[in-house]
Amino acid sequence: QKEVEQDPGPLSVPEGAIVSLNCTYSNSAFQYFMWYRQYSRKGPELLMYTYSSGNKEDGRFTAQVDKSSKYISLFIRDSQPSDSATYLCAMTYGSSNTGKLIFGQGTTLQVKP
Amino acid sequence: DTAVSQTPKYLVTQMGNDKSIKCEQNLGHDTMYWYKQDSKKFLKIMFSYNNKELIINETVPNRFSPKSPDKAHLNLHINSLELGDSAVYFCASSPSPERDYGYTFGSGTRLTVV
Repeated sequence: QKEVEQDPGPLSVPEGAIVSLNCTYSNSAFQYFMWYRQYSRKGPELLMYTYSSGNKEDGRFTAQVDKSSKYISLFIRDSQPSDSATYLCAMTYGSSNTGKLIFGQGTTLQVKP
Repeated sequence: DTAVSQTPKYLVTQMGNDKSIKCEQNLGHDTMYWYKQDSKKFLKIMFSYNNKELIINETVPNRFSPKSPDKAHLNLHINSLELGDSAVYFCASSPSPERDYGYTFGSGTRLTVV
């Protein structure tokens, strides 16, 4: 079983829809939770990161962490065709001195005009 | 001005050859990484260097040898390339190992072994 599980999709939604992307994890030692966006043929770029449990909002994006359920989510409001990309969740222990990120498999999202 | 730059972007080579990928960052970060992304988009860490010192070697075959001449550069040399080495290799950097949530990735090197 992978440490971080993410539904690979693909997920196809109409423009303007609310998108929900999710990851589950098995290691309760994870402290920092991140969402990366990766466009085709590009490197991942950091969208949001959250420390421990709670919500964080940035424009149309909201990240949620529920450590009791070992479950994280990314919500995209008013989705746009430019949001079409692969979304990768990632986690880290935070207090380690290695810098290692553990990634989910990524969910491919297509937003249709 | 690209923050993390990798060369080459594409590499097509025959089995058994030796090849190198170069990475440079101009962010002033102390920590650099190599990640491998397979055909299913799964990203997995290979190596991590902090201030030129190796801190992670994630059970990678010893045909892969990283080298960090200074903290702004991290190169990856691969000997005796195999078909299974075909993947996209990403270089990344972060301010420190503890601030590993602040990664910046390069745009990747797409390696195809034929």
